[in-house]
Formats: sequence, structure tokens, C-alpha cells
Amino acid sequence: GAVVSQHPSRVICKSGTSVKIECRSLDFQATTMFWYRQFPKQSLMLMATSNEGSKATYEQGVEKDKFLINHASLTLSTLTVTSAHPEDSSFYICSARPLGLNYGYTFGSGTRLTVV
Amino acid sequence: TQLLEQSPQFLSIQEGENLTVYCNSSSVFSSLQWYRQEPGEGPVLLVTVVTGGEVKKLKRLTFQFGDARKDSSLHITAAQPGDTGLYLCAGGDGGTSYGKLTFGQGTILTVHP
Repeated sequence: GAVVSQHPSRVICKSGTSVKIECRSLDFQATTMFWYRQFPKQSLMLMATSNEGSKATYEQGVEKDKFLINHASLTLSTLTVTSAHPEDSSFYICSARPLGLNYGYTFGSGTRLTVV
Repeated sequence: TQLLEQSPQFLSIQEGENLTVYCNSSSVFSSLQWYRQEPGEGPVLLVTVVTGGEVKKLKRLTFQFGDARKDSSLHITAAQPGDTGLYLCAGGDGGTSYGKLTFGQGTILTVHP
């Protein structure tokens, strides 16, 4: 149980276009999901907290107009990278936590975004 | 701002050796989690510790949460090549609901046959 599915796993897009990444909790409901960015051989950097039915909370330095987050249902959050540039190329990962004590966060398998 | 200092950043050892990874903070965390991540994949939860002084064992891995809930360690006995990966510690700030996670910098472990 406690599976988070992330799609797509890899995407290549042209500069100036937008890309949408989906994060789904398959067997549990998640009122909160988290979006991270990870550079090669580095740790995860939290970008924003996605809240079902309300606005996302962005970390300092993250452009909310560039990284649009929508959490319209209890099982789906989306991250849209708008007007992508090569410097947006990175590994994006989402996570969610099933309710209940002693459950850690479950992470998606990540999305490798390459902007050319 | 809560920070987690993870060390060492890189660890390269021979099969059969033991190793310890440390996570330290000046802040108190409600929980401490350890993850392992392989290239191109998301992190996979290894363990969650919530009680100060708690020790958990997972086969050859031993996890410890400091008495003051500010630090944690991961000890691997008789490392194997399959243990190779990025190990991440993460502290929770939301009591039993965990809340937002603060990640350490990560430890890249390479175990040579």
C-alpha cells in the first residue's frame, strides 16, 4: 500500500513551452502533497506544499507564477512548469503521506525534465 | 529555519566493511526518517524513529534517534554492493502529523565488490 505514481517519468520540451507533471496517490487520500527538485548527486529541495482545495504554499525563492501547482482532488496534484528554460532542467519529485502514526512519506518515482 | 547536517557526504568502502552516517541538528524534530534513493528513482523509506533514544534494526541496518531528538545515525554492518545509493535523513516538524520534511544533504555510498 501507500503508492504514489508520478507521470511522466521523462520529458523533453522546447524552451518557452509548458510542461505538466502529475502526482497521484493510488491507494490513499492525500490532503497535502509536496513537490521537490533535485540536482545530480544532491539532496531534495522542497519547492512547495500542495494543499487540496486551496492555494499551494511556496518555499522562499520559488517563483509561484513559473511553477503552478493545482491540487483539485484528494488523489491528484499537478506541477506545471511554465515557459520552461534550460535552467529548469532537473529531477522533480512529489511525495505524500498516508494518515496514521509511523507512516513515512511515500515518494513518486520522479520526473526528469530536460529543456532544450 | 531547521537545518540537518548530514555526514559524510561521500563514502567509498569495500564489501564487508562497516559504516556509520550521521545527521545532526540544533533543532528538535518530532520524527526522523531515513531514505535510500537510487539514480533516476524517488527515495524509498527505510525507517521512521519518533522517540528520543529509540533504536531500530532492519537486517544489517541500525538506526538510532538521539535522546534529545536532535540527531540520528545509520549504521550498516558488513556492507554489500547492493547497499550502494544515496542515503537521506529527513526531520519532521509536525508532531505526530509530521508536517514538512527537512532533508539532510545526503550521503552517496559506494560499496565495491
